[in-house]
Amino acid sequence: AQSVTQLGSHVSVSEGALVLLRCNYSSSVPPYLFWYVQYPNQGLQLLLKYTTGATLVKGINGFEAEFKKSETSFHLTKPSAHMSDAAEYFCAVRRGGSSASKIIFGSGTRLSIRP
Amino acid sequence: DVKVTQSSRYLVKRTGEKVFLECVQDMDHENMFWYRQDPGLGLRLIYFSYDVKMKEKGDIPEGYSVSREKKERFSLILESASTNQTSMYLCASSYSNQPQHFGDGTRLSIL
Repeated sequence: AQSVTQLGSHVSVSEGALVLLRCNYSSSVPPYLFWYVQYPNQGLQLLLKYTTGATLVKGINGFEAEFKKSETSFHLTKPSAHMSDAAEYFCAVRRGGSSASKIIFGSGTRLSIRP
Repeated sequence: DVKVTQSSRYLVKRTGEKVFLECVQDMDHENMFWYRQDPGLGLRLIYFSYDVKMKEKGDIPEGYSVSREKKERFSLILESASTNQTSMYLCASSYSNQPQHFGDGTRLSIL
């Protein structure tokens, strides 16, 4: 079965500091992994995805994530936080088999940026 | 660009009412989804549809039903609304195994 664990429901960093949001997954099939962002009063927007190939994935707004199979992790990073990055971030993994078009979401991490 | 439109941003209903939430997508996606989002729980799948008139229960289907009469439209129905169905409801669509595209959500309050 597939599952996603996001470590830390709330992360606060200073503007200009490194952003690190942690995600660990379990999957019985080769994983497809996603990070989504949700700004206040909006739906979810895809930040980046990993399917196959290069393990370092670059997304929008300067974010990137690295797929580490040995650690079953897919942590999201950004070198320098900006005030506009304040949002909720969700890690997700594709379900397997006949449910491959469906994904499972983590519980989310709210990112706050201190001036 | 894909657009998923949910008919209402905010909705207030009373216990026992039948509630309809509507979702329309404009990209001819075969897959459509309804989720509810609650603090600390992330998004949980209520129902999924992979084709017109086809549906599949998600993780929390109790108290809900769905209708997909046309490919672009997917409706979520609360047969008899209860206060524990107060939540944010998100609709999404996708093509095959591609990433899902989301609407802006409907914040539903049941009084």
